[in-house]
Amino acid sequence: GAVVSQHPSRVICKSGTSVKIECRSLDFQATTMFWYRQFPKQSLMLMATSNEGSKATYEQGVEKDKFLINHASLTLSTLTVTSAHPEDSSFYICSATQGESSYNEQFFGPGTRLTVL
Amino acid sequence: GQNIDQPTEMTATEGAIVQINCTYQTSGFNGLFWYQQHAGEAPTFLSYNVLDGLEEKGRFSSFLSRSKGYSYLLLKELQMKDSASYLCAVIDSNYQLIWGAGTKLIIKP
Repeated sequence: GAVVSQHPSRVICKSGTSVKIECRSLDFQATTMFWYRQFPKQSLMLMATSNEGSKATYEQGVEKDKFLINHASLTLSTLTVTSAHPEDSSFYICSATQGESSYNEQFFGPGTRLTVL
Repeated sequence: GQNIDQPTEMTATEGAIVQINCTYQTSGFNGLFWYQQHAGEAPTFLSYNVLDGLEEKGRFSSFLSRSKGYSYLLLKELQMKDSASYLCAVIDSNYQLIWGAGTKLIIKP
């Protein structure tokens, strides 16, 4: 149980385009979903926390107009990287909990590797 | 500020035992997680400690001392597949998860 999927697993795009990444909880209702970014050899960096039906809470330094998060249902959250640039190339990982805070164990998706040319 | 310290890299021999330490200074404490992350993959849950003491789960054990702000992950009977990064993460008083930078564990035959 507690499986989280992400799609796509890998994407390559041209600079200036927008990319949408989906995160789904397959066998549970995810009240809270988290979006992380991880650069090579670095730890996870929390970008934002989203609760179903409400606006995402962004971490300091993360541009909410550039990284659009939509948590429309209890099983789906999407991250859209708008007008992507090479510096946005990274490993994007989502996670989900069954409770309303990170107090509960986070179940991670497999990640999406974004390469912006 | 919030801070979690782990060694950057460790090397151990197949079949041996290795201990990965984690020290933390956070605004409050509501639990500590250990996650394993293989290169290019997402983290997977290993353990959760909220009370002092040792939690054993198969070849892996995790220890917590809240008074010392210290935890360790103990891996026994090391296998080559244990080569990965091990991430320590602490839940603070606001129930936010604070992540360490991870320890890269290299297993040699």
